[in-house]
Amino acid sequence: NAGVTQTPKFQVLKTGQSMTLQCAQDMNHEYMSWYRQDPGMGLRLIHYSVGAGITDQGEVPNGYNVSRSTTEDFPLRLLSAAPSQTSVYFCASSRQSGYGYTFGSGTRLTVV
Amino acid sequence: DAKTTQPTSMDCAEGRAANLPCNHSTISGNEYVYWYRQIHSQGPQYIIHGLKNNETNEMASLIITEDRKSSTLILPHATLRDTAVYYCIVRPYSGNTPLVFGKGTRLSVIA
Repeated sequence: NAGVTQTPKFQVLKTGQSMTLQCAQDMNHEYMSWYRQDPGMGLRLIHYSVGAGITDQGEVPNGYNVSRSTTEDFPLRLLSAAPSQTSVYFCASSRQSGYGYTFGSGTRLTVV
Repeated sequence: DAKTTQPTSMDCAEGRAANLPCNHSTISGNEYVYWYRQIHSQGPQYIIHGLKNNETNEMASLIITEDRKSSTLILPHATLRDTAVYYCIVRPYSGNTPLVFGKGTRLSVIA
């Protein structure tokens, strides 16, 4: 049981490049979410999903796309990277709304 | 609007109980109180949640006032490894409400 797996752990992008941050969970959790955490700041919700085929925007969705084609995977796509997207990205999953979320170890992204 | 209010920071001596307060005066009847913590640069970790009764697990105890307008997370014997930012979050138990974090309390456990 690996929990929530995020890849890559570190990434450096050039401004304007696109990439996909991967998130996979093997706990058959319905709920999945993406957060970003800027240095010294709290976590902000980017996008979330309550099941396969269902996604919704969080607090800071601009510049990011998500899809949920399977229960296990919830990739986050950066369309055209900007220095303002330099952050640590966390993915999380939960069995249902009322249960505790399990978080991944994060992807540290630097956009230069 | 923030649904919870927490002190920005607190200190606690190692081995003593750490009592972290949270004010949630506008909590609704269907909302639970959840606590998470984030140890430096790691992903947040779920600690405990409750509706109106006191709850205890292997990590902590949660005391919710009778009017449910405030709660206290108790770490009975704080260790240096408990140094972290602690988040108090209120949200419905069911439905599609996502987990949204506030600023939390930075707890420093001092030797």
